Amino acid sequence: AQSVTQLDSQVPVFEEAPVELRCNYSSSVSVYLFWYVQYPNQGLQLLLKYLSGSTLVKGINGFEAEFNKSQTSFHLRKPSVHISDTAEYFCAVSDSFYNTDKLIFGTGTRLQVFP
Amino acid sequence: EPEVTQTPSHQVTQMGQEVILRCVPISNHLYFYWYRQILGQKVEFLVSFYNNEISEKSEIFDDQFSVERPDGSNFTLKIRSTKLEDSAMYFCASRADRGSETQYFGPGTRLLVL
Repeated sequence: AQSVTQLDSQVPVFEEAPVELRCNYSSSVSVYLFWYVQYPNQGLQLLLKYLSGSTLVKGINGFEAEFNKSQTSFHLRKPSVHISDTAEYFCAVSDSFYNTDKLIFGTGTRLQVFP
Repeated sequence: EPEVTQTPSHQVTQMGQEVILRCVPISNHLYFYWYRQILGQKVEFLVSFYNNEISEKSEIFDDQFSVERPDGSNFTLKIRSTKLEDSAMYFCASRADRGSETQYFGPGTRLLVL
């Protein structure tokens, strides 16, 4: 079974500062990894995903994430945040070995960007 | 850009009543899902559906829950006799095919059971 840990429930940051949202996962088989964003009163929007290949993946809105297999991490980064990045960010995994495809989500990190 | 839609956006019901949550997945998608998010908690998988049958379901998805694809466009989640603890945001998602790993989510239905 897979699990996802997002250690930071809230991350406050000033506009134009860099940010890193941490995600660690646990799995006995290979996984696909995803970051979703949830803006207030909206659904989940895919930011980026890692399926295979290059461990550095780039997504929408200037976000990127790096898959680190040895540390079982998939941290999300942005070099300079905007007020509009204020949202809830969810890391998720799915099983790529048996391809059962259900997403297992972390508890989410609320990014609050201050002017 | 195609998107998943869900109706209603909000639903208030009395405990013990039946509710049906509706979803219209992206056209030509083949895999369908329901997830829920209790306020302040993580998003949890409920059920996946492919080729007109359930592929996988979680422990949460007990006999009170059922899913159906009554026609070529709608995908519904029915809760037969709602409980207070069913209050949550319910998300529908769809995925194109076996080679596409991305699930696209709808905006959700907020269900409140009184």
